[in-house]
Formats: sequence, C-alpha cells, structure tokens
Amino acid sequence: DQQVKQNSPSLSVQEGRISILNCDYTNSMFDYFLWYKKYPAEGPTFLISISSIKDKNEDGRFTVFLNKSAKHLSLHIVPSQPGDSAVYFCAARVSGSRLTFGEGTQLTVNP
Amino acid sequence: KAGVTQTPRYLIKTRGQQVTLSCSPISGHRSVSWYQQTPGQGLQFLFEYFSETQRNKGNFPGRFSGRQFSNSRSEMNVSTLELGDSALYLCASGERAYTDTQYFGPGTRLTVL
Repeated sequence: DQQVKQNSPSLSVQEGRISILNCDYTNSMFDYFLWYKKYPAEGPTFLISISSIKDKNEDGRFTVFLNKSAKHLSLHIVPSQPGDSAVYFCAARVSGSRLTFGEGTQLTVNP
Repeated sequence: KAGVTQTPRYLIKTRGQQVTLSCSPISGHRSVSWYQQTPGQGLQFLFEYFSETQRNKGNFPGRFSGRQFSNSRSEMNVSTLELGDSALYLCASGERAYTDTQYFGPGTRLTVL
C-alpha cells in the first residue's frame, strides 16, 4: 500500500519559471511532511518541512503547501535554477512512527 | 559538524555472500534509520534504531538485520545475498527517537553479481 504517491515521475521547466512538484497521501494520521532533494550518487538532502497544523511554509525560493482536506502536498520553487535539477522526494510521518517516502519526481530546469 | 558518513561507498558481492554496511551519524544524533533505494521504488524503509534499540522495522525478509552501538554508530547486515538486493543503501540520522527531520549520508552502492 503506497501511502505517499508522487504521480509525476518527471517535470521539465524553463529557468526562471516556477516549478511545482506534487505529492498525494492516503493516511490521514500523517502529521509531519518533508521534501528532500537528491542528486545522483548522493544521499537525499533535506529541503523544507511542514507540520499538519500549518498550510504553508516558506524558505527562500522554496514554499511547501499542505491541503489536508485533499490530502495533497506541493513544493513550489521560484525562480527555478538549473542547479535545482534533481530528484525530489516527498515524505510523511505519523508522530512516533517512521518516515514514508514517495517514489520521487525528476525535475529538469532548462537554461 | 561532520555529516552522516557511510562506508564503504561501493561494494560488489556475489550471490550467497553476506555484507555489512556501516553508518556513523552526525555527532550528537542518537537515531539512525536505514533505507533501500532501487530504480522506480523510491526509498524503502528498512529499520530505525535509537539508543541501541530497534524502534521500527520495515517489510524486509529476515536476511536484513541491523544493530546500533553505544556510540550511536550503526551497522546493517544482509546475509545470503540475492541479485535483487542490488541497490543504494542509505542511512539517515536524527537527534531524537522518531525525530521529525532526518539527515542522510551519501549511501553505499551494493551490486550483487
């Protein structure tokens, strides 16, 4: 049972435009959500997180939105840069339990 | 602070052999989790340790085992290797048990021939 799903395996955007990465979940008990970025041959790097008591969290060019009624999470990157090209994973956790990851979305930012 | 370190970075084994992977968490972190990443499968949770105790275990066969030492370093062992065990094995550390944010090491790339 895939409780966290990233339905788009890939996304391509132009440099300077907005990148929107989406994530859906099925477990309504999830109360903490994270986004990680992963380059080839490296471990995932923590980007940004959000607690279920919030609906938005911002950190520089990265903003995460949480829509609990729709069980939907999104990451906005504005403006997108070529260095943002990587695989992005969303993850979720029920307090006191382990992280569950999505399958990842390959983002390509074209110069 | 130094990040999470994993050794070795690359490993080639043959079917039936066993392998031990090592992870040193960020200084001061006491929680260590292990994940397996294969193409198209995302990150699959293996197990999580805190204070030398296994707190959570994923849906992997008993051939996969781990342990954590008093200095928070952790090892993962896979016995009787199968071709399907070829993957990137990632270790992540956190400050506390069930910590919200985990920080990953670079991974160990295991190839089973």
